[in-house]
Amino acid sequence: ETGVTQTPRHLVMGMTNKKSLKCEQHLGHNAMYWYKQSAKKPLELMFVYNFKEQTENNSVPSRFSPECPNSSHLFLHLHTLQPEDSALYLCASSQDPGVAGELFFGEGSRLTVL
Amino acid sequence: AQSVTQLGSHVSVSEGALVLLRCNYSSSVPPYLFWYVQYPNQGLQLLLKYTSAATLVKGINGFEAEFKKSETSFHLTKPSAHMSDAAEYFCAVSDRNNDMRFGAGTRLTVKP
Repeated sequence: ETGVTQTPRHLVMGMTNKKSLKCEQHLGHNAMYWYKQSAKKPLELMFVYNFKEQTENNSVPSRFSPECPNSSHLFLHLHTLQPEDSALYLCASSQDPGVAGELFFGEGSRLTVL
Repeated sequence: AQSVTQLGSHVSVSEGALVLLRCNYSSSVPPYLFWYVQYPNQGLQLLLKYTSAATLVKGINGFEAEFKKSETSFHLTKPSAHMSDAAEYFCAVSDRNNDMRFGAGTRLTVKP
């Protein structure tokens, strides 16, 4: 596999469920990101990890919990979500933190909260 | 903090016509600027980027963009639209800390 892979591509969950989104990058990058994409709104940066350490939490509610066990894997754990959390969640990676460069995106996980 | 504004959430052109997608930025430091494209049910992919070299930047699929500091603009153009160009386009600005901010996007429709 190449690039950035996200699973699952689609997820439907109730407000009381607990689920996780997974992201894996095969590019040897050192920084990974979670973005939220909602209709008619700019992409919202949620979390940034540089060398497995969280460097940014963009005022994200605690019902979203990220985990980065190594430079290649990033998870987003979800629990007690709200319907307004329904969106496309995009994972991205970049080569070097602290240097403005290209982000490489996965295809996203489409989340629907009932 | 830096930000971008994309003028026009929808742009419609005829096949073969000029494509012009507008982007204005705000940044307190010399910016890095990007255009990304998103096709349906896919993630974003890079079209082109400006990182303080030549002000006219050429990207993939025949797109180009010109950095104009005096106008704080980074508009995306393509001389002749193709049906396959129909997608959503995002302008983004980044500082040297890799804090990338995206615009709200412009959906391009290409009519036959």
